[in-house]
Amino acid sequence: SQTIHQWPATLVQPVGSPLSLECTVEGTSNPNLYWYRQAAGRGLQLLFYSVGIGQISSEVPQNLSASRPQDRQFILSSKKLLLSDSGFYLCAWSFDSYNEQFFGPGTRLTVL
Amino acid sequence: KNEVEQSPQNLTAQEGEFITINCSYSVGISALHWLQQHPGGGIVSLFMLSSGKKKHGRLIATINIQEKHSSLHITASHPRDSAVYICAVKVTYGNKLVFGAGTILRVKS
Repeated sequence: SQTIHQWPATLVQPVGSPLSLECTVEGTSNPNLYWYRQAAGRGLQLLFYSVGIGQISSEVPQNLSASRPQDRQFILSSKKLLLSDSGFYLCAWSFDSYNEQFFGPGTRLTVL
Repeated sequence: KNEVEQSPQNLTAQEGEFITINCSYSVGISALHWLQQHPGGGIVSLFMLSSGKKKHGRLIATINIQEKHSSLHITASHPRDSAVYICAVKVTYGNKLVFGAGTILRVKS
């Protein structure tokens, strides 16, 4: 069976500091991978998705970037965090574009 | 106007009640998802449907493609059903899921 991991679970960072959130999937090969953000009081928003190693599509221009260095690893990064980057970050995976997505446990990021 | 609208925003029910959460969308879709988000933030996929009706335990999801509307029903509600229920649509082209704002459900015993 497949499992998805995210870490850390919670993170408090000062404004201007860098960010690296990691997501890994086990039990499948070449999954589609997704990064979502849920800001306080708002719905989920797709940030990035990837259909393969090194292939990243960005949905929303922002202060963040994503990378997929390995087949089942998806990393969300920032060089300098902004207050508006605070939120709940969810990684998800799917077999392909036509199947349902499975979500990780999420990372709660607070930028002070 | 958001592409995906859910109603109600908040819902409080007594244990045992029949619950309906509605979702309307304004874009062309290939599928619609119902998700459940627990207080800790974790999200579970409940249904993915593109037509008709699906049932899983006490949960039933229906979709009317012509009317661009879906409903999630919970029969014999229980306090453990308390969560945020999110409707998301897969737009016809591409990988994008567009999410509703969610419905906060609280079931009291």
